[in-house]
Amino acid sequence: QKEVEQNSGPLSVPEGAIASLNCTYSDRGSQSFFWYRQYSGKSPELIMFIYSNGDKEDGRFTAQLNKASQYVSLLIRDSQPSDSATYLCATASYNNNDMRFGAGTRLTVKP
Amino acid sequence: GAGVSQTPSNKVTEKGKYVELRCDPISGHTALYWYRQSLGQGPEFLIYFQGTGAADDSGLPNDRFFAVRPEGSVSTLKIQRTERGDSAVYLCASSQTGGGQETQYFGPGTRLLVL
Repeated sequence: QKEVEQNSGPLSVPEGAIASLNCTYSDRGSQSFFWYRQYSGKSPELIMFIYSNGDKEDGRFTAQLNKASQYVSLLIRDSQPSDSATYLCATASYNNNDMRFGAGTRLTVKP
Repeated sequence: GAGVSQTPSNKVTEKGKYVELRCDPISGHTALYWYRQSLGQGPEFLIYFQGTGAADDSGLPNDRFFAVRPEGSVSTLKIQRTERGDSAVYLCASSQTGGGQETQYFGPGTRLLVL
């Protein structure tokens, strides 16, 4: 079992819809959770991070964390074609110096 | 300010050759990370530097891989006797001081192709 699991997709949503991206993790010691966006051929760029249970909103993006269920999600409201990319979920713990990444979910937003 | 830079952007080499990949982190960042990303996968941790020292090299796949950061800034990832399976994008990231809660900022990566 991989440490961080994501549905590889592709996930396709129409423009203006809500895109929901999900991630589960196996290491209960994970303390920090990150969502990175990666356009094809480009490097990952940070979208959001979350440390505490609950929701965290930033513009059109909302990250949700449930440590009891070991589940993290990212909601993208009013999806735009420019949101089309691969979204990587990553976890980190205080004891580890590296981030553990999922394989990513490919999102396509259709005009 | 300038972000993380990596050179070369692309490297094609033959099986058995030696390659060096360079990373220049964000100025002032003491923590530097190397990752490897294969097609369709997320980045996989290789090594972490805190200053000049390799604080965690547990992700290096074997002894053909080595990395240095002699002055605590620029880092070089060295791969000896390259194999076709080494073909991947090698990503470098830096963060201000290191630690699990810090954001890591990625460079553009070096695409390595071993023929």
